[in-house]
Amino acid sequence: SQELEQSPQSLIVQEGKNLTINCTSSKTLYGLYWYKQKYGEGLIFLMMLQKGGEEKSHEKITAKLDEKKQQSSLHITASQPSHAGIYLCGPSPSGSARQLTFGSGTQLTVLP
Amino acid sequence: EAQVTQNPRYLITVTGKKLTVTCSQNMNHEYMSWYRQDPGLGLRQIYYSMNVEVTDKGDVPEGYKVSRKEKRNFPLILESPSPNQTSLYFCASSLNNSPLHFGNGTRLTVT
Repeated sequence: SQELEQSPQSLIVQEGKNLTINCTSSKTLYGLYWYKQKYGEGLIFLMMLQKGGEEKSHEKITAKLDEKKQQSSLHITASQPSHAGIYLCGPSPSGSARQLTFGSGTQLTVLP
Repeated sequence: EAQVTQNPRYLITVTGKKLTVTCSQNMNHEYMSWYRQDPGLGLRQIYYSMNVEVTDKGDVPEGYKVSRKEKRNFPLILESPSPNQTSLYFCASSLNNSPLHFGNGTRLTVT
């Protein structure tokens, strides 16, 4: 299965600040999903990136996939307490490959 | 409402006592999988299933069993639980090449 490394492991920011979370793959990605998890709850799908150089935005969250499709970043602009949680990146399945290994996650705390 | 339902949400048991965590989805998804989440280790895949009667090992299958007799159900079975299986477990499902839909998790404690 594919190895995905996330950084940082944890992040504490003041409300209103911008932040970036990175996800790096050991192999070329077929595609990448970003998920968010609130403490003790299931993961919620945020965005899917499939093409090299692709960038998607939803509200104040922007995700990008680099041209080589080995690195993705998630950027939050003007963070709010509602952005707090664990962010995880996960690979998109490639063809019949469905053994999916997620990144270890980034714990985000936003201080009011 | 489209959802993945896991039961129970919380479970405390003793070493060696067989248990089953149920997972059911109402979206007619072919793909289902189980994960465990541990601090510092992230989300690790236990087993997955591409369709009925088709199951495969994920990254950490030891000590677990699964079955997929019907499309909607994918139970996780611990024949002889041990304390190192104390964890937060998630079931997920999806259509091919689509994002995963996750259940709300089962917090298992084995004493």
